[in-house]
Amino acid sequence: GAVVSQHPSWVICKSGTSVKIECRSLDFQATTMFWYRQFPKQSLMLMATSNEGSKATYEQGVEKDKFLINHASLTLSTLTVTSAHPEDSSFYICSAPDHTDTQYFGPGTRLTVL
Amino acid sequence: DAKTTQPPSMDCAEGRAANLPCNHSTISGNEYVYWYRQIHSQGPQYIIHGLKNNETNEMASLIITEDRKSSTLILPHATLRDTAVYYCIVRALNQGGKLIFGQGTELSVKP
Repeated sequence: GAVVSQHPSWVICKSGTSVKIECRSLDFQATTMFWYRQFPKQSLMLMATSNEGSKATYEQGVEKDKFLINHASLTLSTLTVTSAHPEDSSFYICSAPDHTDTQYFGPGTRLTVL
Repeated sequence: DAKTTQPPSMDCAEGRAANLPCNHSTISGNEYVYWYRQIHSQGPQYIIHGLKNNETNEMASLIITEDRKSSTLILPHATLRDTAVYYCIVRALNQGGKLIFGQGTELSVKP
């Protein structure tokens, strides 16, 4: 299947700082990518849809000014958590659909905010 | 997208078949059934999907009832590495693409 990578795999930051997470489709292009968040012992929650060349679409309750999304190219989307606080500590996962519209997921990024 | 109902947990003996059920009684005619699994602290892994016919690949088989209101994912010879949370999701193709995850079934494969 198609491969999606994320960087970094884990990050620890201080409260109030910003953190950028990258999501790349390695062997295919994706005009749309998706960002999810997962808290311990919970399911994945969709945060936003990243659209290449246009603004991201955020799910209800997700602050667009706090979670900045940029879809810079057909293989790269970034999620920036701005002014991070301990409650933003979570597992962030991206996905991208291949040409068959099957979603493939990245390995996830573990964010810990101190 | 239609909602799905799965048992919260199941056990399976190593080497035996694991049959994971999913109910999707409100599925629409253009919605596919997708199965993913998530091993602890990893991103979800695509397993299989289907519309109305049974499907098989190197990982699993998907059996969809004739009325499409339920399906079963079959892992023919479960191994310890199949221990994971399995998610059944229904969605239409090319309509926004997003997947909405339920709580899934936590499958424990035991020696």
